[in-house]
Amino acid sequence: EGQLVESGGGLVQPGGSLRLSCAASRFTFSTYPMHWVRQSPGKGLEWVSGIGASDGATHYADSVKARFTVSRDNSKNTLYLQINSLRDDDTAVYYCAKEEYGSGNCGTFGVWGQGTVVTVSS
Amino acid sequence: DIQMTQSPSTLAASVGDRVTITCRASQDIRGWLAWHQQKPGKAPTLLIYEASTLQSGVPSRFSGSGSGTEFTLTISSLQPDDSATYYCQQYDRYPPTFGGGTKVQIK
Repeated sequence: EGQLVESGGGLVQPGGSLRLSCAASRFTFSTYPMHWVRQSPGKGLEWVSGIGASDGATHYADSVKARFTVSRDNSKNTLYLQINSLRDDDTAVYYCAKEEYGSGNCGTFGVWGQGTVVTVSS
Repeated sequence: DIQMTQSPSTLAASVGDRVTITCRASQDIRGWLAWHQQKPGKAPTLLIYEASTLQSGVPSRFSGSGSGTEFTLTISSLQPDDSATYYCQQYDRYPPTFGGGTKVQIK
């Protein structure tokens, strides 16, 4: 099944940057698409970004396009999310998730990390 | 983007009750629907995928049904451990989108 552990969250000023990491273990990381999903305080779940397994194709929510960059290092079993130009409404718990079941276009998330908290505030 | 609408947003039921949550998609998503459970302060966990297939380890009191634009999650006999928020999620096409959630409370 697998395990995912996020890190890199913290308190950052508006306009600042952070790089989130997600360390994967107990599964063959290189063969699975991976995603980031966030949850603002007291709110629901919002998909943020995804990256393919082999082709590395990337996808972004419109709300983060051009500010966030997803990447992966299959040699280190690690997923990344570079977040720039942070805004107040980016404050959230950021989860990484393993895509286990797909439609051929997109997928759903069979394993979730515990999340890392990003707080944007001056 | 495909909009997912859940109802009700909250419900309270007694242990042993049958509970049903509805999820509607703004477009036909065929059977590409998942249900996730989230307990307070915890990460979500996958309950059901492909509308009706139980994820490994999920109790059989959970079931899912539907196709196209209308889906349901049913808990056949509510247990105290089922107190949580439930989210539907479509994965027919990008971007994957979630419903607003249904908070299930035990009376």
